[in-house]
Amino acid sequence: AQSVTQPDIHITVSEGASLELRCNYSYGATPYLFWYVQSPGQGLQLLLKYFSGDTLVQGIKGFEAEFKRSQSSFNLRKPSVHWSDAAEYFCAVGPSNFGNEKLTFGTGTRLTIIP
Amino acid sequence: GAGVSQSPRYKVTKRGQDVTLRCDPISSHATLYWYQQALGQGPEFLTYFNYEAQPDKSGLPSDRFSAERPEGSISTLTIQRTEQRDSAMYRCASSSELGEAYEQYFGPGTRLTVT
Repeated sequence: AQSVTQPDIHITVSEGASLELRCNYSYGATPYLFWYVQSPGQGLQLLLKYFSGDTLVQGIKGFEAEFKRSQSSFNLRKPSVHWSDAAEYFCAVGPSNFGNEKLTFGTGTRLTIIP
Repeated sequence: GAGVSQSPRYKVTKRGQDVTLRCDPISSHATLYWYQQALGQGPEFLTYFNYEAQPDKSGLPSDRFSAERPEGSISTLTIQRTEQRDSAMYRCASSSELGEAYEQYFGPGTRLTVT
């Protein structure tokens, strides 16, 4: 069965500092991988996704993520965070075939930004 | 519509009562998903619809939970004889059948509290 681990429950960074959120997955084949952001009172918004090809993917709001098969990881990065990036971030994995099947989410990482 | 909408946004009910939650997906989206998100956790899959068909309801926790999408558009999730453990955020998502099948667009959720 597929699973996702986000080892960091809560991360605090200073505004303008770089950010890396960790995500490890377990899946038998090449997975489809996603990062979503959840702001208070809002729905989940897709930041970026990896299906195949280039292992470094660019997303919205200046985020990027790198798929590393050897480490079963899909870490999210941003070179310089803004106060508006404070939110909860979820990594998710889906099966590697089109079929409108479910996503499996990690438990999330809450990001706090300090001035 | 412009996005996925859910109603009500908040629902407080007494243990033993039935509740019905509503999801209005993005118009023309064929696929609709329901997720349950407990506090401090990531969303967990409940069920999904492809038009009015319900191919997978493996995530429904018990037979007290049921979902419908009779005309392939709006969906309802009903919980009968609610229990305190049903307290959670219930999220709905939709995706287009073609091309972007794996991009799920989430609604703002319904926060259910069972007292």
